[in-house]
Amino acid sequence: DTAVSQTPKYLVTQMGNDKSIKCEQNLGHDTMYWYKQDSKKFLKIMFSYNNKELIINETVPNRFSPKSPDKAHLNLHINSLELGDSAVYFCASSQDLTSFENTIYFGEGSWLTVV
Amino acid sequence: GNSVTQMEGPVTLSEEAFLTINCTYTATGYPSLFWYVQYPGEGLQLLLKATKADDKGSNKGFEATYRKETTSFHLEKGSVQVSDSAVYFCALSVPYGNNRLAFGKGNQVVVIP
Repeated sequence: DTAVSQTPKYLVTQMGNDKSIKCEQNLGHDTMYWYKQDSKKFLKIMFSYNNKELIINETVPNRFSPKSPDKAHLNLHINSLELGDSAVYFCASSQDLTSFENTIYFGEGSWLTVV
Repeated sequence: GNSVTQMEGPVTLSEEAFLTINCTYTATGYPSLFWYVQYPGEGLQLLLKATKADDKGSNKGFEATYRKETTSFHLEKGSVQVSDSAVYFCALSVPYGNNRLAFGKGNQVVVIP
């Protein structure tokens, strides 16, 4: 069983469209994250949720809206897609917010290409 | 702030060569340190970690020692294989930081048969 699974793995879409990426974890973790990896492979946190509550919102354009219907799911919706949104988006989870020494588990990534 | 610096540029080496990837950090508080690996077309996997000074993390023949005095966490492997070709990321997490990982820029490692 995949611990952190995200769909779709590949997504090609036109500028101006709205798209969503879904993420689910079956580890029983309280905390989930979205990270963005740009074309130079640089990784940066976008959001984190703890028990459905938004904790980190890292100056991401408000076209990006995360939604956590329960603590096992964290979806990412992107409105009015722009060329610069092309990236790999990684979902991740960890036991909780406070155990900073614990491992953060990543999904396999969603490769988004905006044309 | 918290940041991680990895040596510039890709690393190309022959099979069975010795690999070192340098990683130094700046952190508020006492961080935990991680190495993640990304194989071609795949997601991030934890390779190893260390949570206090002088700890050595190890996995799959890779090792890294948490050096507080030099604020470093260099990754080493004694004899690389073609299957080790991947991108390697050093990262840290600090207390009271809401568990956010700060990543280095990553190093592409290419092992030639």
